[in-house]
Amino acid sequence: NAGVTQTPKFRILKIGQSMTLQCAQDMNHNYMYWYRQDPGMGLKLIYYSVGAGITDKGEVPNGYNVSRSTTEDFPLRLELAAPSQTSVYFCASSGQLDGETQYFGPGTRLLVL
Amino acid sequence: AQSVTQLGSHVSVSEGALVLLRCNYSSSVPPYLFWYVQYPNQGLQLLLKYTSAATLVKGINGFEAEFKKSETSFHLTKPSAHMSDAAEYFCAVSERGGNKLTFGTGTQLKVEL
Repeated sequence: NAGVTQTPKFRILKIGQSMTLQCAQDMNHNYMYWYRQDPGMGLKLIYYSVGAGITDKGEVPNGYNVSRSTTEDFPLRLELAAPSQTSVYFCASSGQLDGETQYFGPGTRLLVL
Repeated sequence: AQSVTQLGSHVSVSEGALVLLRCNYSSSVPPYLFWYVQYPNQGLQLLLKYTSAATLVKGINGFEAEFKKSETSFHLTKPSAHMSDAAEYFCAVSERGGNKLTFGTGTQLKVEL
């Protein structure tokens, strides 16, 4: 099992450009999550999904969009990149039972200039 | 709303010394509690979690944590630090009936010879 995979590993964007961060998991998990990590701030939840076709906002959703057409994939879309979106983005997945462990991908480092 | 406080953004110990990383939570009911470790340029990996079984939880790499309801704490300890323990450690909480994690701001552990 590959677990949770993310692409790309690193990307530089210009202000106003758009891009999609890819996330896939092969553990048949219903729940998937997107976090951003900024220095000294811990991880903040952007969006999450409890199953295909169902998504909801987390703590910091502004400037992002998600979709969940399959159980395996959960892409994160940035429509108009801003310097404030410079961050490291982590995707995670978990089963649906209470207290289940979240499994994290290796992250995507994004720099917006 | 639940929250997590990690006291000390940086902790330095000598190799072989006790490791103590502090975590306090705020929640209306005893939540699920997690400790994750992040090595440089990697995703997060679960060290251990508390899900209302034994209050003393043992994890990987010799780490353990004790849930103390009266103190709303879940401190992470290891009797003898090893150089390979140098990493960033995150405490996280999820409420019962939901799987979303709220993270602390992290503690960077440095291990010196």
